[in-house]
Amino acid sequence: DAKTTQPPSMDCAEGRAANLPCNHSTISGNEYVYWYRQIHSQGPQYIIHGLKNNETNEMASLIITEDRKSSTLILPHATLRDTAVYYCIVTNTGTASKLTFGTGTRLQVTL
Amino acid sequence: EAGVTQSPTHLIKTRGQQATLRCSPISGHTSVYWYQQALGLGLQFLLWYDEGEERNRGNFPPRFSGRQFPNYSSELNVNALELEDSALYLCASSSGLLHTDTQYFGPGTRLTVL
Repeated sequence: DAKTTQPPSMDCAEGRAANLPCNHSTISGNEYVYWYRQIHSQGPQYIIHGLKNNETNEMASLIITEDRKSSTLILPHATLRDTAVYYCIVTNTGTASKLTFGTGTRLQVTL
Repeated sequence: EAGVTQSPTHLIKTRGQQATLRCSPISGHTSVYWYQQALGLGLQFLLWYDEGEERNRGNFPPRFSGRQFPNYSSELNVNALELEDSALYLCASSSGLLHTDTQYFGPGTRLTVL
């Protein structure tokens, strides 16, 4: 699986959009970009994933660059409950089927 | 729809004992994964079971083992417990379909070894 690079921490004001970047310059053509988050001592929560097209669901939007070497997770209106560690994972889930979690980005949403 | 469930929530053991952790996947999911998250460390992949078979294993000693039952639930067994086995153990399940193989996690079992 390709390696990912994320900033260790970010702050965001409540109600504003949180934009979390992820670099995955060694991604291969059949690898997906997955985002999970983990609120303190809970199980990771799936947020969104994509291959090459931008994706949106009720939680977030995922923007993947045309060369697929980086992506951005967007939480459109961050709330205090979005404070968590966010993990960007690149994986070919069809074969390896294990997720390799890095250190993620600790997002702190403040009033 | 019920999510992934794990039991017990907390487990306290002493060194040398054995621990058994249980996981029930989302209904219809055939794959179960186990991860370890030690304090201050990231999630480390332990085991992957699919259709009752062990499919992949992380870099853990053989005293970490498990099985998957015909109803796709799973057990993780840790023998000869050591202090450093204290961690949050997370179970995840997926449908096993290649193009929609998203893993969904349970709340975890916190194992404390004294």
